[in-house]
Amino acid sequence: GNSVTQMEGPVTLSEEAFLTINCTYTATGYPSLFWYVQYPGEGLQLLLKATKADDKGSNKGFEATYRKETTSFHLEKGSVQVSDSAVYFCALSLNSGYSTLTFGKGTMLLVSP
Amino acid sequence: DTGVSQNPRHKITKRGQNVTFRCDPISEHNRLYWYRQTLGQGPEFLTYFQNEAQLEKSRLLSDRFSAERPKGSFSTLEIQRTEQGDSAMYLCASSRGQHNEQFFGPGTRLTVL
Repeated sequence: GNSVTQMEGPVTLSEEAFLTINCTYTATGYPSLFWYVQYPGEGLQLLLKATKADDKGSNKGFEATYRKETTSFHLEKGSVQVSDSAVYFCALSLNSGYSTLTFGKGTMLLVSP
Repeated sequence: DTGVSQNPRHKITKRGQNVTFRCDPISEHNRLYWYRQTLGQGPEFLTYFQNEAQLEKSRLLSDRFSAERPKGSFSTLEIQRTEQGDSAMYLCASSRGQHNEQFFGPGTRLTVL
């Protein structure tokens, strides 16, 4: 079956530190990959996506590269801010007509000033 | 603001009661999804609609759960004879497009006493 594995949190960083949140996946086909973010008290928001191997998704200073050879989609940011504190979810969907999202368990990021 | 709305935002009920949640998707989106999220976990797929047709249901969706999307616009999710294990955040998402980019609502938090 399809599954997503994320590093466990919380990840605690100081402002301006470098961020990496690891994500690996297993899939029966060729998935699209996503990172969603959930800020405290808010709903899930799409952060970035990549639809095929070697694609790089980017948004708000965050980046992730679709690595088929390592089945990974790690999230990175060069300099985090306090406002980045949130829960980050890696997810996949198969590239069929109506495939659903399979999520990881989420990784909480806490950034201190 | 993703444009997907859900009502109510919070629901507290006693075990054995029936509850109904509503989701209004983004107006031009023909696909609508329901997910359930428990504390510390990522969202888990429950069911999917394309227009008014319910095309996929998860094994998580027991006989006590029913979902409708009568005119291909808003959707309702009903849980009959609620159990304490039904306590969770129920998320609705909608999408349009080949690569299944889903936009989530704020969720309905259900507490079963």
